[in-house]
Amino acid sequence: DAMVIQNPRYQVTQFGKPVTLSCSQTLNHNVMYWYQQKSSQAPKLLFHYYDKDFNNEADTPDNFQSRRPNTSFCFLDIRSPGLGDAAMYLCATSRDIVGQGSYNEQFFGPGTRLTVL
Amino acid sequence: DQQVKQNSPSLSVQEGRISILNCDYTNSMFDYFLWYKKYPAEGPTFLISISSIKDKNEDGRFTVFLNKSAKHLSLHIVPSQPGDSAVYFCAASAGTYKYIFGTGTRLKVLA
Repeated sequence: DAMVIQNPRYQVTQFGKPVTLSCSQTLNHNVMYWYQQKSSQAPKLLFHYYDKDFNNEADTPDNFQSRRPNTSFCFLDIRSPGLGDAAMYLCATSRDIVGQGSYNEQFFGPGTRLTVL
Repeated sequence: DQQVKQNSPSLSVQEGRISILNCDYTNSMFDYFLWYKKYPAEGPTFLISISSIKDKNEDGRFTVFLNKSAKHLSLHIVPSQPGDSAVYFCAASAGTYKYIFGTGTRLKVLA
């Protein structure tokens, strides 16, 4: 089955220790997103890749970076995690074709729950 | 500034009855809306959508209603089943592939 996979499902890191979360997809979608979701809050878009083009949200801290080495994989790097970065991180994908409308749903992975000690 | 609001954090409904989940938005540029369902330990999964050119969209037991003048949409589940117990998110888009999500409503269907 085509899907969005996130690894690891649970990640524990220490305050200030860099951490990388990974996402892969078999849907061959051209857009990949990273969301941060804290308890009882809405998923908040951090950034997304449209093909190879990186698009950062204005309020995403510099502490968060992303890489997309190819269509299938996307990584979220947190350079110096703080206690406030503990959250669920959701990866999502969608297919957007210019000129054919943008009304396509996003497909989500199961998320990685990050704990910062 | 929350552009998409789900003011009811939780809702309990008896099995077989109707579940109504509500969502309000503030941005009049939103023209496409989605509902997602999320089970514990899983990512959100797409449920149903509606374009602003419509006021109703139906898919089996699920119907979404859109009231543009009130900037309000609702998801109706009839009849509700225990397997519908999940967190439901509404999301809105203003003509792009990016969506703004609400905070979710936890639905519990009682057997």
